Amino acid sequence: NAGVTQTPKFRILKIGQSMTLQCTQDMNHNYMYWYRQDPGMGLKLIYYSVGAGITDKGEVPNGYNVSRSTTEDFPLRLELAAPSQTSVYFCASSRKREGHKDTQYFGPGTRLTVL
Amino acid sequence: GENVEQHPSTLSVQEGDSAVIKCTYSDSASNYFPWYKQELGKRPQLIIDIRSNVGEKKDQRIAVTLNKTAKHFSLHITETQPEDSAVYFCAPYAGGTSYGKLTFGQGTILTVHP
Repeated sequence: NAGVTQTPKFRILKIGQSMTLQCTQDMNHNYMYWYRQDPGMGLKLIYYSVGAGITDKGEVPNGYNVSRSTTEDFPLRLELAAPSQTSVYFCASSRKREGHKDTQYFGPGTRLTVL
Repeated sequence: GENVEQHPSTLSVQEGDSAVIKCTYSDSASNYFPWYKQELGKRPQLIIDIRSNVGEKKDQRIAVTLNKTAKHFSLHITETQPEDSAVYFCAPYAGGTSYGKLTFGQGTILTVHP
């Protein structure tokens, strides 16, 4: 298993440009998440999905959109990039387990700079 | 939502010493308490977790203790080594309709000096 993979690893955008961060997992996990991590800070949840076709907002969703057409893929879309979106983005997934939580597995991250 | 605080924010120890990081949470419904380690430039990885029906769990040099009454849990690292240097995050989980969403603490930077 490759686990959780993300592309690209690095990207520089100009203000106002758009891009999609790709995330794929091969563990057949129901739950998937997008976090951002600003320098020296913890992780903040942007969006999450509990299964194909179902997504919901997290703590910091403004400026982002997501879709979940398959169990494996959970892309994150930035429509009009702003300097405040400069961050490292992590995708994660976990298995749905009734009654309690299962481990979240993280991808390697995408380092995004908006200039 | 859940309020999570970690203390200390930075911790510097000599190799071989012990290190303790405390995490305080607000949601009394929290029932799962993981600790993640993030090395510089890497992804967060789970190192140990504990469920609400257990008071302590050990895995070699790492242990986690839980005090549900006081709403805090702690990470204990004994016989620290330079490779333990990293940022450590707690991320209590409230269960129910939280759909696996974790609320991360702000992190503790641990530095182990050889």
